[in-house]
Amino acid sequence: DTEVTQTPKHLVMGMTNKKSLKCEQHMGHRAMYWYKQKAKKPPELMFVYSYEKLSINESVPSRFSPECPNSSLLNLHLHALQPEDSALYLCASSPREDPYNEQFFGPGTRLTVL
Amino acid sequence: QKEVEQNSGPLSVPEGAIASLNCTYSDRVSQSFFWYRQYSGKSPELIMSIYSNGDKEDGRFTAQLNKASQYVSLLIRDSQPSDSATYLCAVTTYSGAGSYQLTFGKGTKLSVIP
Repeated sequence: DTEVTQTPKHLVMGMTNKKSLKCEQHMGHRAMYWYKQKAKKPPELMFVYSYEKLSINESVPSRFSPECPNSSLLNLHLHALQPEDSALYLCASSPREDPYNEQFFGPGTRLTVL
Repeated sequence: QKEVEQNSGPLSVPEGAIASLNCTYSDRVSQSFFWYRQYSGKSPELIMSIYSNGDKEDGRFTAQLNKASQYVSLLIRDSQPSDSATYLCAVTTYSGAGSYQLTFGKGTKLSVIP
């Protein structure tokens, strides 16, 4: 298995809802990443997990809560989002968190906040 | 602030021509450089990585790196309409405390005209 999967593909939620995004990989990678991408902009790093521990938090608002239950799975819990949080949320993984490792992206979850 | 600069384009080339995409970066100690292709509405797909000065070829793609000039480029030979996409240059930068992250340029939109 050489891919990163993400569910759901699309998500529409209200500002008072709680939802979760899921990312899974079975390549034995030990670093996993969440990115946010707005239209016509490059991906922006949100969180990095290395060996299931949070390594980088790029000053993301607390309404986004990451979780890494095991080495294959990464979740992003969403609560009280704002319409400006609507974006493509991308998960990526790499063998390890080091400067030479290539990151592979999942297909993304298209999030719309009403 | 660590920056990665790309011409936003659009860059238009006729089918069969060579497309040349350029990228400069500000962090002199960056060690790894990547090119991603992103089709509209899709996630980034890794097409090339380069770590040493010089050229690296993979099929129709050639990446070129010049660390002294802080410059990396991607050449696409025999361009096809299916190459029409946004090309993202990404550079690994050190975030401190043993952590690394990818910094993306804003991307160059390539259109290959049949």
